[in-house]
Amino acid sequence: AQKVTQAQTEISVVEKEDVTLDCVYETRDTTYYLFWYKQPPSGELVFLIRRNSFDEQNEISGRYSWNFQKSTSSFNFTITASQVVDSAVYFCALSEAPGGSEKLVFGKGTKLTVNP
Amino acid sequence: DTGVSQNPRHKITKRGQNVTFRCDPISEHNRLYWYRQTLGQGPEFLTYFQNEAQLEKSRLLSDRFSAERPKGSFSTLEIQRTEQGDSAMYLCASKQGTPGYTFGSGTRLTVV
Repeated sequence: AQKVTQAQTEISVVEKEDVTLDCVYETRDTTYYLFWYKQPPSGELVFLIRRNSFDEQNEISGRYSWNFQKSTSSFNFTITASQVVDSAVYFCALSEAPGGSEKLVFGKGTKLTVNP
Repeated sequence: DTGVSQNPRHKITKRGQNVTFRCDPISEHNRLYWYRQTLGQGPEFLTYFQNEAQLEKSRLLSDRFSAERPKGSFSTLEIQRTEQGDSAMYLCASKQGTPGYTFGSGTRLTVV
């Protein structure tokens, strides 16, 4: 069975600090996708990134970066120079490759609070 | 195309009553998913449709829950004889092709 673990329940930082959100996953599939979503207080899940299991290249998008390490089954998310607007709950998720339901399995989320 | 729309945004109901939620996906998306999110937890898969066919249901979906997607367009999720444990955010998502889910804003159900 697929499983996603986000060990950090809550993180609080001061604006401009860097912060890393951890994600560890379990799957028996050789092909799968990993995701990060942001959920602000309004409730809508905002897509941040999708990573194919065959692509271990790290990615940077502005202040966001992701570190995918298959050897440790981790897909960590770093926010550089955090801002108050980054305050939200962040979810890591896993889905099987195309061909099946492709349903998402989510972690429990990490609540990030960025204080001014 | 304004994304995935869910109605109502909030629903308060008395225990034992039936409720129905609606999801309007992105028009060209053939897959539609329902998830449930309780306080402090990540969303959990309930069921999904490919066009009008309901292809998988989670064990979380008890007999009191039913979902439909007539003609492969909008979908409804009905909960009969609501219980306090049904209080949650119900999220709908749609997709087409390779992973690229678009989520709606959800319907928050409170059973009193």
